[in-house]
Amino acid sequence: QKEVEQDPGPLSVPEGAIVSLNCTYSNSAFQYFMWYRQYSRKGPELLMYTYSSGNKEDGRFTAQVDKSSKYISLFIRDSQPSDSATYLCAMNTGFQKLVFGTGTRLLVSP
Amino acid sequence: GAVVSQHPSWVICKSGTSVKIECRSLDFQATTMFWYRQFPKQSLMLMATSNEGSKATYEQGVEKDKFLINHASLTLSTLTVTSAHPEDSSFYICSARVQGGLYTEAFFGQGTRLTVV
Repeated sequence: QKEVEQDPGPLSVPEGAIVSLNCTYSNSAFQYFMWYRQYSRKGPELLMYTYSSGNKEDGRFTAQVDKSSKYISLFIRDSQPSDSATYLCAMNTGFQKLVFGTGTRLLVSP
Repeated sequence: GAVVSQHPSWVICKSGTSVKIECRSLDFQATTMFWYRQFPKQSLMLMATSNEGSKATYEQGVEKDKFLINHASLTLSTLTVTSAHPEDSSFYICSARVQGGLYTEAFFGQGTRLTVV
């Protein structure tokens, strides 16, 4: 079993839809949870960073962490074609290496 | 956010030659830099962690003699793929951690696509 599981997609939605991206993990020691956006042939860009459980909102993006279920989510409201990219979840215990999910490819059609 | 510049963005080389990839932190000092490899439709695989002024720490299964990493200053780390072969073709990405920051506060370069022919 992988430490971090993420559906590779692709996930296709129409413009304006609410998008839900998810990851599950097995290591209960993970404390820091990140979401990265990666455009084709580019490096990942940090979108959201959450410590422990709870919600965090930044514009159209909301990150949720449920440590009891070992489940994290990224919601994108009013999705735009420019949101089309691969979204990677990542997590770690703190001063340890990041463990990445495989990424979910999102396609937002106009 | 902090800027990490990676160069070149793409390179094609002949089998048996060596290729050097540079990773620079432009507006901050990075005591630690990380090198990743990414295959199509797969996640980032950490290859090694380099600390300024010391030897890199390689992940299990990564050949130290093939992937030479040098972190000579607080703003520059290099990855040299020696005697490259077609199976080394991949997308290589560096990441730099802000000095004194949490491991999580790492910023990525734009990646280098290496094609070995």
